[in-house]
Amino acid sequence: SAVISQKPSRDICQRGTSLTIQCQVDSQVTMMFWYRQQPGQSLTLIATANQGSEATYESGFVIDKFPISRPNLTFSTLTVSNMSPEDSSIYLCSAETGQPWEQYFGPGTRLTVT
Amino acid sequence: LAKTTQPISMDSYEGQEVNITCSHNNIATNDYITWYQQFPSQGPRFIIQGYKTKVTNEVASLFIPADRKSSTLSLPRVSLSDTAVYYCLVGDEGGSYIPTFGRGTSLIVHP
Repeated sequence: SAVISQKPSRDICQRGTSLTIQCQVDSQVTMMFWYRQQPGQSLTLIATANQGSEATYESGFVIDKFPISRPNLTFSTLTVSNMSPEDSSIYLCSAETGQPWEQYFGPGTRLTVT
Repeated sequence: LAKTTQPISMDSYEGQEVNITCSHNNIATNDYITWYQQFPSQGPRFIIQGYKTKVTNEVASLFIPADRKSSTLSLPRVSLSDTAVYYCLVGDEGGSYIPTFGRGTSLIVHP
């Protein structure tokens, strides 16, 4: 298993600004993921972040809008750029440990854009 | 990537056994079946994973028939704290490794 922490836990931001969300894992992991979740809805995968390679983005998400860094095996950041109210959501990071698809999630970052 | 289908919601009462079934008709040979639990305002929590037959841990059991086209998460003697959304995911590490969460099953446990 793994313990994942995220910062900040929540933020209220002005439109047009950017926010960087940090994700820290208590052990070294190869694969990390970033998700978005609207309240009451399921999770949508934004991108996969493997250490040492460029992040892989899912359909509808682009690097200019959601740049991701993965500088080492325990840390990743997601930036939400040039925010609009439509970016208001919960952003979750996860790390895969052990068996494939066995992911451990952070508590999430609740973002509100005004 | 195998698509999954689950009931949108289920209701139960404390002390009962709850079985949540997930259909995955297009499951591939190398695919694992993984279940997550999510409480409000928290990230999902890994519950159990299996490939075939039956897997049991301290939280739940996972039953997978021989054709692997479905799976059933079994929660013994549920309590109010088991009220959550349960997600079934199917996939493997190779190829297009895209963890896809469906709508999940919202389980409400009543006193």
